Amino acid sequence: AQSVTQPDIHITVSEGASLELRCNYSYGATPYLFWYVQSPGQGLQLLLKYFSGDTLVQGIKGFEAEFKRSQSSFNLRKPSVHWSDAAEYFCAVGADTGGFKTIFGAGTRLFVKA
Amino acid sequence: GAGVSQSPSNKVTEKGKDVELRCDPISGHTALYWYRQSLGQGLEFLIYFQGNSAPDKSGLPSDRFSAERTGGSVSTLTIQRTQQEDSAVYLCASSLDGRVGQPQHFGDGTRLSIL
Repeated sequence: AQSVTQPDIHITVSEGASLELRCNYSYGATPYLFWYVQSPGQGLQLLLKYFSGDTLVQGIKGFEAEFKRSQSSFNLRKPSVHWSDAAEYFCAVGADTGGFKTIFGAGTRLFVKA
Repeated sequence: GAGVSQSPSNKVTEKGKDVELRCDPISGHTALYWYRQSLGQGLEFLIYFQGNSAPDKSGLPSDRFSAERTGGSVSTLTIQRTQQEDSAVYLCASSLDGRVGQPQHFGDGTRLSIL
């Protein structure tokens, strides 16, 4: 069965520092991979997605993620964090098994310090 | 509107009461999802509607939970005889055609508090 693990419950980085949020998935074939961001009191917003092709995908707000099949990972990165990036980040995986479900990780809360 | 709309944004009710949560998806989106997000938790899938097909109710936690989608558009999630453990944020999402590769567009959720 598909699963998604986000090992870090929360992370604190200084403004201007680089960021990497980890995501590991479990699925037998190449999955559909997503990163979403949730600001307080709001729903989830799609940052980026990976289906196939180039393993480094660019998203909105300066984020990127790299798909590494050998490590079953899809880590999210940003070279320089802004205070407005403080939010909860969810990794998600969908499998084209004829079903529809997208499985979400438990989320990583990002704190940004001045 | 352009996005997924949910109402009410907040709901406080007494234990044992019934509640109805509403979701208005993006126009033209045939797929609609309900999720529950408890404090500090990820998203728990509840139910999925796709077009005129029978909904997938496999995520509903008990028979106190039900949902319907009228006319392929607006959906209502109903919780009967609410319990304190039902307190959570209920998120609705829609996607264009329900294929797993389609991103989901989320509403801002309904924060439900059971006293």
